[in-house]
Amino acid sequence: GAGVSQSPSNKVTEKGKDVELRCDPISGHTALYWYRQSLGQGLEFLIYFQGNSAPDKSGLPSDRFSAERTGGSVSTLTIQRTQQEDSAVYLCASSLDRGSNEQFFGPGTRLTVL
Amino acid sequence: DAKTTQPTSMDCAEGRAANLPCNHSTISGNEYVYWYRQIHSQGPQYIIHGLKNNETNEMASLIITEDRKSSTLILPHATLRDTAVYYCIVRVFNAGNNRKLIWGLGTSLAVNP
Repeated sequence: GAGVSQSPSNKVTEKGKDVELRCDPISGHTALYWYRQSLGQGLEFLIYFQGNSAPDKSGLPSDRFSAERTGGSVSTLTIQRTQQEDSAVYLCASSLDRGSNEQFFGPGTRLTVL
Repeated sequence: DAKTTQPTSMDCAEGRAANLPCNHSTISGNEYVYWYRQIHSQGPQYIIHGLKNNETNEMASLIITEDRKSSTLILPHATLRDTAVYYCIVRVFNAGNNRKLIWGLGTSLAVNP
């Protein structure tokens, strides 16, 4: 079956522009996570959605970052007024539900802010 | 969340067992140990997890010490495709909490022919 997909795979933008990153989780998965990974680093948690519950936004680094998940499926991560330090790979993962042990990751979106 | 410590890099000969250690000396009683790996330019892949008993699946075995302060991931017959960064993660298993995983820098495993 289809795994987690993300688009675009690569995004190059200029400092100060807004960007939107998209994640399509595995069908039927109620939990969705966003992480980012800077070069040579581990993953940094950003935000978590679980069903219709209020998302856990505790990992968002600033108010320039926001995310939504419409209809309990597709999610969009938006970065406003991008900065060079936002350059990273943004990874999305989904799991069957909050109690699941395994998170399934997408291939990521590589964001480069010039 | 408990902190994990792993060697930065390791080498292993193809066909041999790869033993990847992880220290988690501050682990709490209800915290599980998870292992993921990340092959270059791909998203991470779940390998295995455990609480206190040793675990085995089709990919690997997980050996957790009796005091739970350390664990070892064993790839019994490493292949070139096992070359990846391996992350040891400790996270609370609690139905009231989400599953955000706190990632370290991992161990870069190179499997050599």
